Amino acid sequence: KAGVTQTPRYLIKTRGQQVTLSCSPISGHRSVSWYQQTPGQGLQFLFEYFSETQRNKGNFPGRFSGRQFSNSRSEMNVSTLELGDSALYLCASSLGLVWGRLETQYFGPGTRLLVL
Amino acid sequence: DQQVKQNSPSLSVQEGRISILNCDYTNSMFDYFLWYKKYPAEGPTFLISISSIKDKNEDGRFTVFLNKSAKHLSLHIVPSQPGDSAVYFCAASGEGQNFVFGPGTRLSVLP
Repeated sequence: KAGVTQTPRYLIKTRGQQVTLSCSPISGHRSVSWYQQTPGQGLQFLFEYFSETQRNKGNFPGRFSGRQFSNSRSEMNVSTLELGDSALYLCASSLGLVWGRLETQYFGPGTRLLVL
Repeated sequence: DQQVKQNSPSLSVQEGRISILNCDYTNSMFDYFLWYKKYPAEGPTFLISISSIKDKNEDGRFTVFLNKSAKHLSLHIVPSQPGDSAVYFCAASGEGQNFVFGPGTRLSVLP
């Protein structure tokens, strides 16, 4: 079974631009979560989508948005990029909720974004 | 406020010895815990999980212990191998919640 894939793997943008990152989950997984990892920080939760609906959202500004398509693929968009948005963006997929709890998440390789 | 803490940013262990990585949490609603390993330039890889109905779970060289009263879990790696050198994250979740990750501990296994 193929793992979680993310594209692109590396990206360089300038301040003020916008960027769209893509994530394809493991086949059969309907939940996709996005995380930001910066040096010295753990994984900061951005949002989680399940069946095309945003189910949970972390504490990030509205410049960060996402969506999920009917085939469970997900995109994350960051508008008006700031230098502080430079980070590794990770996507994780899971089957979804079982007995009200999110099943184990499996991560993609990440997209490394550099904002100049 | 950090709900999941890994108070040791780094740990060095000799090859063949035991590695013990610790994790503390503050939210008493957390009842499902995971450990991930992360190499540079790769996404985290799932290692082992434990739910609050158990206090121990083993998978090969990896064992996770959960002490609910202390809100503490630990990952034991025995014996440690150089390939285990990586950053280890613990994560916790509860009903209807997404996973909350700790800041990670960098493990170095010395040959």
